[in-house]
Amino acid sequence: GQQVMQIPQYQHVQEGEDFTTYCNSSTTLSNIQWYKQRPGGHPVFLIQLVKSGEVKKQKRLTFQFGEAKKNSSLHITATQTTDVGTYFCAGRRGGSEKLVFGKGMKLTVNP
Amino acid sequence: NAGVTQTPKFQVLKTGQSMTLQCAQDMNHEYMSWYRQDPGMGLRLIHYSVGAGITDQGEVPNGYNVSRSTTEDFPLRLLSAAPSQTSVYFCASRPRQASADTEAFFGQGTRLTVV
Repeated sequence: GQQVMQIPQYQHVQEGEDFTTYCNSSTTLSNIQWYKQRPGGHPVFLIQLVKSGEVKKQKRLTFQFGEAKKNSSLHITATQTTDVGTYFCAGRRGGSEKLVFGKGMKLTVNP
Repeated sequence: NAGVTQTPKFQVLKTGQSMTLQCAQDMNHEYMSWYRQDPGMGLRLIHYSVGAGITDQGEVPNGYNVSRSTTEDFPLRLLSAAPSQTSVYFCASRPRQASADTEAFFGQGTRLTVV
């Protein structure tokens, strides 16, 4: 079945540092979505990437979709304490209606 | 703007009891789905529906039943609760668009403990 893997699962950074998290799929995806879940909250949509090689930015967050549409990355610049939470990637394979999520990357920030 | 509403927010069940987790959305979304979230396991798809009268299994459907009699409601039934079903359950909905996928809107979650 379709699998979406995220690495690392946990990341602890110092405030102000940059870091990158990765999402890899076992199959080619129609698109990839990223969500953020604050502690005690529910997942909230951040962005969707559709085209091969696509890059999108949201302030300090940069999202990239791989050329083969099987992997994606999220890069955060100058991490802030407000970035704390779990980041999920989710993908759907062409022809399937299932939106499958990765296990998430839990980010903690040392102020 | 209610969005996706889940009830109850918290529930404690005894092993073998049955219950229904409610999910309702007021956005006229075609797609609805149930996920469970466990530590280190991420969000796993239980069941999903692409419209009223249509449901299908996700990654972890065993022990759960669903039905979709209306566009608005997508209840999740546990027929005989087991401790392994202790989890946080999220309902999500999204509209159907012919050309592209759309974002999923999540409810606030139901924290279920089976003792």
